Amino acid sequence: DIQMTQSPSSLSASVGDRVTITCRASQSISSYLNWYQQKPGKAPKLLIYAASSLQSGVPSRFSGSGSGADFTLTISGLQPEDFVTYYCQQSYSTPLTFGGGTKVEIK
Amino acid sequence: EVQLVESGGGFVQPGRSLRLSCAASGFTFDDYAMHWVRQAPGKGLEWVSGITWNSGSIAYADSVKGRFTISRDNAKNSLYLQMNSLRAEDTALYYCAKDRLKRSGGFYDMDVWGQGTTVTVSS
Repeated sequence: DIQMTQSPSSLSASVGDRVTITCRASQSISSYLNWYQQKPGKAPKLLIYAASSLQSGVPSRFSGSGSGADFTLTISGLQPEDFVTYYCQQSYSTPLTFGGGTKVEIK
Repeated sequence: EVQLVESGGGFVQPGRSLRLSCAASGFTFDDYAMHWVRQAPGKGLEWVSGITWNSGSIAYADSVKGRFTISRDNAKNSLYLQMNSLRAEDTALYYCAKDRLKRSGGFYDMDVWGQGTTVTVSS
């Protein structure tokens, strides 16, 4: 199975900051990497698919990059509603696997 | 409106069975693969199982293989998860999710999620 490692597990930032979350796969997964946002008590929401494609309706301050085994999610200009948890997920092979999550907290 | 509504969760003793259902509406259900994803209390997301649009491909997480069975009834726009030999570690909120890609042969990303149904396994 492919292991997905996210870092950091949590971070503190301020409104307006630019933050970067990293996701590393245990092997190359080409660009089969997706990012989700989860607010407390809510279902996850797809932000980015295929490493860098923005899902419809998602604000352009979210962007994704990377290929192979190393990927990043960048939020440019944090908004108050962005202080939640983010997960990466690989779709290169089954079983599909998620990273452990990154909680973005207000500094 | 595209919607997924899960049901069937509950409190069950270890070793017993439970069947989850997911009712889909607002999209052509038989065009898309579907998934079950779970989240234990206070923990991260764990993909459980997926089934392609025509049931031609099915996959499971190692943690549930041999105990859980995914199925779908395209005529009823419904997805199911039969869970047998339940364990305490199966306690979680179970989400039904739709794959984004239409009529693909595999599993990719999940663009529509239900609100989940809670399964608690305890003696």
